[in-house]
Parts: sequence; C-alpha cells; structure tokens
Amino acid sequence: DAKTTQPNSMESNEEEPVHLPCNHSTISGTDYIHWYRQLPSQGPEYVIHGLTSNVNNRMASLAIAEDRKSSTLILHRATLRDAAVYYCILRPWGIQGAQKLVFGQGTRLTINP
Amino acid sequence: KAGVTQTPRYLIKTRGQQVTLSCSPISGHRSVSWYQQTPGQGLQFLFEYFSETQRNKGNFPGRFSGRQFSNSRSEMNVSTLELGDSALYLCASSLTSGGGTDTQYFGPGTRLTVL
Repeated sequence: DAKTTQPNSMESNEEEPVHLPCNHSTISGTDYIHWYRQLPSQGPEYVIHGLTSNVNNRMASLAIAEDRKSSTLILHRATLRDAAVYYCILRPWGIQGAQKLVFGQGTRLTINP
Repeated sequence: KAGVTQTPRYLIKTRGQQVTLSCSPISGHRSVSWYQQTPGQGLQFLFEYFSETQRNKGNFPGRFSGRQFSNSRSEMNVSTLELGDSALYLCASSLTSGGGTDTQYFGPGTRLTVL
C-alpha cells in the first residue's frame, strides 16, 4: 500500500485559511489522492479527491504538485467546525477490492476562536 | 437520503463472549466495508463486502468475520472476545466496489467495550 506522510498536528485561527500538507513520494500513476476528515465522536467523512489537476468543492480545495509527490488540502476560511483529524489517502483506480482505505495517523487540526 | 446506520451504538461484553454488529448502508449502495479504530493502531481495514461476497480482507484473525445480505445490509461478528477488541467499529458504504473516484460514507460507529 502506498504510504502518505502528514504532520501530526496543526493549529490555525478561525476565519483564516489553512493549508494541510501531505507527502506521497511513492505514488503510482493510477493512484487518486483522497482526503477524509474525522470530527470528534463521528465516523470519517469524505472531503475531496483528485488525480492530477487541482480540485475545488464546497468544502475545500486540493492542490496537487506537478510531480504528484505531494498535495495540499486548503480550507479557505476555517471555522470551529473544521477542527478534526484530516487523513490523506491514496486509492488505486479500477482495482477490484480497492475499497480498502489505508489510514495513516492523519493531522489533528485545532482551530482557535 | 438516510445515511449509514449502525446498531447498536454502544456495547459492553466480557472476555470470551461473542458479539454481532449490524450496518445498514445508504440505499442503493452495494459495497460495505468495516474498520476498527483504536487509540494505538488508528483506523484499520477489516473487510469489504460487495453483492454478498467478501472482496477484500485486512490483517485480522479469523475471530473476526462478516457477511452481507441480499439487501446489502451487513453484519460483523467477533467471537471469543479479548480485551484488545475494545474499539470503535465503523462501517462504510459505497456505490461500487471499485477504487479511484468512489467515495465511502461512514456510519457513526459502534463502541465496543470488552471487560
């Protein structure tokens, strides 16, 4: 399973942008980059995913390096509700049984009011 | 559309007993995956079922088993419980069994405590 590396923790202030980095130097050409987050006392929830190009949705943006060896999840204006553990996960494309998500330790994001 | 539901939400058992946890996926979803979350090991994949067939299995002993019914509902069973089985057990459903772009939707989990 391809491995990702994230900082253990990060801290930011409410209404400021947050950039969460992820390194995945062994990524293969068919791996998608997914981000999930886990709010306190809840199951993980999907945030965003991408392959090569930068992606935006209502929750966040995903910036992918040109060599795909790293990516950054961007929360444009953090709120207290964004305090969670964020997981960067690589998922192969089109492989049967690829529903196995391999979670690392993730980044615990703290938002200060 | 209703989300993934898991029952029961909390469970207390003693060593040596067995336990069955239930998961109802989002309507129309045919893939159900199970995960174990502990403070020490984090989130670990147990197994995935698609159309009543186990498609993938994590590195857990045979005491952990599961099944999926024709309506896509799934159960997981842990026999001969050990103290180390105390964990949050999470179920996730998705539309297909493929990877890549597919999204998994997680339930709130079942908190199992083994005394």
